[in-house]
Amino acid sequence: KQEVTQIPAALSVPEGENLVLNCSFTDSAIYNLQWFRQDPGKGLTSLLLIQSSQREQTSGRLNASLDKSSGRSTLYIAASQPGDSATYLCAVRSDDKIIFGKGTRLHILP
Amino acid sequence: DTGVSQDPRHKITKRGQNVTFRCDPISEHNRLYWYRQTLGQGPEFLTYFQNEAQLEKSRLLSDRFSAERPKGSFSTLEIQRTEQGDSAMYLCASSLEVDGNEKLFFGSGTQLSVL
Repeated sequence: KQEVTQIPAALSVPEGENLVLNCSFTDSAIYNLQWFRQDPGKGLTSLLLIQSSQREQTSGRLNASLDKSSGRSTLYIAASQPGDSATYLCAVRSDDKIIFGKGTRLHILP
Repeated sequence: DTGVSQDPRHKITKRGQNVTFRCDPISEHNRLYWYRQTLGQGPEFLTYFQNEAQLEKSRLLSDRFSAERPKGSFSTLEIQRTEQGDSAMYLCASSLEVDGNEKLFFGSGTQLSVL
């Protein structure tokens, strides 16, 4: 059974710093991994999608990497801004299901 | 098409009442998912459709829950005899699944409060 874990559960960093969010999964037989952002009381917004054959994807200040063999993905945020404050979730597609982690609540301090 | 739409945004109901939520996916998307999310948790899978066929239901989905997707377009999720434990955000997502690859697009969710 696929399990997805995100560490840390919460993170506070000063504005301008670079940061890394972690996502791990127990079954390496995945189709893809997707990173989402969620603002309080809102739905999820897709940030990056990495196919199982890819190692990383980039969008603006965001870079996501995937190491399938070790069951890990990271989301790197460069030059953080207060507007980046949100919960970040990773989701893994395997066995025709998409399983989410519990997310990391990120707070960027002005 | 502006994305996945969910209606209503908020629903307050009394315990024991029935509620129904609607989701309109992005047109041409063949898959539609329902998730439930409680505070501080990630979304939990409930069920999904490939076109009009309901392919899987989570064990979380008791017999009080039913979902439909007639004609493979919009979907409804009904909860009968609501309980306080049903209070949660109900999220709908759609995707275009091709050869095992898909990107999920979520709606804004329906926040259910059972009093």
